[in-house]
Amino acid sequence: DQQVKQNSPSLSVQEGRISILNCDYTNSMFDYFLWYKKYPAEGPTFLISISSIKDKNEDGRFTVFLNKSAKHLSLHIVPSQPGDSAVYFCAASDHGSSNTGKLIFGQGTTLQVKP
Amino acid sequence: GAGVSQSPSNKVTEKGKDVELRCDPISGHTALYWYRQSLGQGLEFLIYFQGNSAPDKSGLPSDRFSAERTGGSVSTLTIQRTQQEDSAVYLCASSSQGTSGGGAQYFGPGTRLLVL
Repeated sequence: DQQVKQNSPSLSVQEGRISILNCDYTNSMFDYFLWYKKYPAEGPTFLISISSIKDKNEDGRFTVFLNKSAKHLSLHIVPSQPGDSAVYFCAASDHGSSNTGKLIFGQGTTLQVKP
Repeated sequence: GAGVSQSPSNKVTEKGKDVELRCDPISGHTALYWYRQSLGQGLEFLIYFQGNSAPDKSGLPSDRFSAERTGGSVSTLTIQRTQQEDSAVYLCASSSQGTSGGGAQYFGPGTRLLVL
């Protein structure tokens, strides 16, 4: 049972354009969501997060949107740069019931930004 | 400032042997997590330590897997009698906030385990 889903395994965009990465979840108890970027042979790098009490969080070129009614979040990168090419993981946690903050990850989306 | 470090970076072992993987979390982080990523898969939670509380072992796939955290800092993940399906990247993460809600987890580079 996949609680966090990234339905697009890959995405290709032109440098300077917007990249939109999508993530869906099924557990309505999730209250904290994060995006990580991963380069080959490296551990995931934290990018941006959002609490369930918000619907938008922005940090420089990165913005995360949360739609709780649709159980959907997205990461917008604008403008996209070739260095953004990596695998992006969506993750969620439920601090209420599990009380551990363990993250449930999606399968990842490989983003390629073409110069 | 030092991030999360893990050793070894790569480990090749024969089926049936035991392996130990080490994690040094970010200094001052009270929460420590182990995950693994099998080929083509997302990250899978294994175990969580928070301070002196009992660990959450709910993600460990079998009793061949165990972990400890000594002195609230360094952690060791042990896999006994390794099987080929144990081959994966084992990732450690630490966080300054465990049960209080929120708080990003910061990952180490991982240990790539290959069981022949």
